[in-house]
Amino acid sequence: GAVVSQHPSRVICKSGTSVKIECRSLDFQATTMFWYRQFPKQSLMLMATSNEGSKATYEQGVEKDKFLINHASLTLSTLTVTSAHPEDSSFYICSAWDQQGETQYFGPGTRLLVL
Amino acid sequence: DQQVKQNSPSLSVQEGRISILNCDYTNSMFDYFLWYKKYPAEGPTFLISISSIKDKNEDGRFTVFLNKSAKHLSLHIVPSQPGDSAVYFCAASASRDKIIFGKGTRLHILP
Repeated sequence: GAVVSQHPSRVICKSGTSVKIECRSLDFQATTMFWYRQFPKQSLMLMATSNEGSKATYEQGVEKDKFLINHASLTLSTLTVTSAHPEDSSFYICSAWDQQGETQYFGPGTRLLVL
Repeated sequence: DQQVKQNSPSLSVQEGRISILNCDYTNSMFDYFLWYKKYPAEGPTFLISISSIKDKNEDGRFTVFLNKSAKHLSLHIVPSQPGDSAVYFCAASASRDKIIFGKGTRLHILP
């Protein structure tokens, strides 16, 4: 099946710094990618839809100025957590539909810990 | 408002028996449903999907049943194996756009 990668797999940062997470579709092109967040023992919550060549669409309650999304190419979307705070500590996961539109594949996730 | 509901937080099944995980949805616009398996600190792994034009889809030990009138779907795993122990998420999509997840069911396969 299609492969989605994420980098880094985990990151620890100080409060107030910004962190960039990359999401790549390795063997297919994705005009749309999705960013999710999962808190411990909770479900995956959709944060935003990343659209290649246009602005991301954010879900209700997600601050677009805090979670900057850039879909620079058909294989890369980035999520930047700006001025991170401890409450932003979470597991961030990206995904994309395969080219047939049959399966949405997920990356391995990025664990963010803000001290 | 939860559009995808998995009402059983956990389920324990004897090895070799059938595991049945249930899922209900409220949005009638959903036309595609997926099941994922997930381990802690990993991304979800796709298991099986079903389109709303079907009522059953089978792939090896996994079968998904869809009852559109009841807005209910279920995942059957038979026979259950120890490696099946994980959290299972039901997810739904309208027109292959964003997918909405349920809260998950933790499946324990007992030896």
